[in-house]
Amino acid sequence: AQKITQTQPGMFVQEKEAVTLDCTYDTSDPSYGLFWYKQPSSGEMIFLIYQGSYDQQNATEGRYSLNFQKARKSANLVISASQLGDSAMYFCAMREGSLSGGYNKLIFGAGTRLAVHP
Amino acid sequence: DAGITQSPRHKVTETGTPVTLRCHQTENHRYMYWYRQDPGHGLRLIHYSYGVKDTDKGEVSDGYSVSRSKTEDFLLTLESATSSQTSVYFCAISDGGPNTEAFFGQGTRLTVV
Repeated sequence: AQKITQTQPGMFVQEKEAVTLDCTYDTSDPSYGLFWYKQPSSGEMIFLIYQGSYDQQNATEGRYSLNFQKARKSANLVISASQLGDSAMYFCAMREGSLSGGYNKLIFGAGTRLAVHP
Repeated sequence: DAGITQSPRHKVTETGTPVTLRCHQTENHRYMYWYRQDPGHGLRLIHYSYGVKDTDKGEVSDGYSVSRSKTEDFLLTLESATSSQTSVYFCAISDGGPNTEAFFGQGTRLTVV
């Protein structure tokens, strides 16, 4: 069954340091996408980065990179050079392909609250 | 920004009354989703739609129904609201295959008293 697990309810990091937010997933579908979203205190959901199951390279978007380890079924988010504005909830999500019959169902983990300290 | 609007943005209702939340999109996206967000649970999928009149259940569908009679609107109905359905509800839209990100509405804060 499709499942996303984020085991870190809260994390903190010093400003300008790097931080890794963990995400593991479970699926039997060979085709899937992995996503990270940021939710600041204002409540909106902001898309950060995407990794496809067939992608050979780890995805990067500015200060965000996704450490994709397919055999371990992990898709950790790495934020480099943390900024105060990075303080937010971060959600990992997965969307399976249609082979599973799930018609692209998109599910989320429980989230990690990141606090960046000056 | 993706054209997605949720209404109402805030609602207080009494236990036992039916409530309908609306999600409207102007992007002509095929997929639409309803989630609820509660502390410690992240976003949990209630129902989703993969086309007009094509819907399926998510992980927390009990007590909720949905309808999608046209591409742009996806309605979520709480048939008889309970206090456990007090939550923030998000609608999301997406198009294409598993490699397409979803865009979210601003959320609806529902309080059942």
